Amino acid sequence: GAVVSQHPSRVICKSGTSVKIECRSLDFQATTMFWYRQFPKQSLMLMATSNEGSKATYEQGVEKDKFLINHASLTLSTLTVTSAHPEDSSFYICSARRLAGRVHEQYFGPGTRLTVT
Amino acid sequence: DAKTTQPTSMDCAEGRAANLPCNHSTISGNEYVYWYRQIHSQGPQYIIHGLKNNETNEMASLIITEDRKSSTLILPHATLRDTAVYYCIEYTGKLIFGQGTTLQVKP
Repeated sequence: GAVVSQHPSRVICKSGTSVKIECRSLDFQATTMFWYRQFPKQSLMLMATSNEGSKATYEQGVEKDKFLINHASLTLSTLTVTSAHPEDSSFYICSARRLAGRVHEQYFGPGTRLTVT
Repeated sequence: DAKTTQPTSMDCAEGRAANLPCNHSTISGNEYVYWYRQIHSQGPQYIIHGLKNNETNEMASLIITEDRKSSTLILPHATLRDTAVYYCIEYTGKLIFGQGTTLQVKP
């Protein structure tokens, strides 16, 4: 199956600093990438959708100035959490989608656990 | 918001078939049903998807009712490693996760 990687797998940062998370599709070119957030004992919540070379589309309630998404190539997307605060502590998961025939295939990374102290 | 309905939790004995139901009564004609699972603290793993025909792969079988309002994911011989949260999703161009079914496979 297709492989999606994320880096780092876990990060601890101080309140007020910014953190960048990378998402890469290792063996395929992704037409679209997605970013999700998951709090403990909750389901995944879609934050934003991004296409290479375009501005990301954010879901309702997600602050685009706080969660900066850059999709520079067909294999790399980055999420930067700016001025992080403890309430931003969460499990961030990226996903990459490719088109296989007429069906979209979407694969997920292993996640990045962010702790803001 | 997620448009599917799944039981909150289910148990299954190891070695037996696990049958996970899902209701998607508002699904439109060209929307696929996707199933993913998430093992604790990992990213979701793709299992299977279907439109209107039953599907089978190396992981599971997917049975979709003729009216497409519901489906059942079948893990034919559940193992302890199949313990996870299973998500049934109507694909509308993006995957919106509901609460899923927590499947506990017991020895």
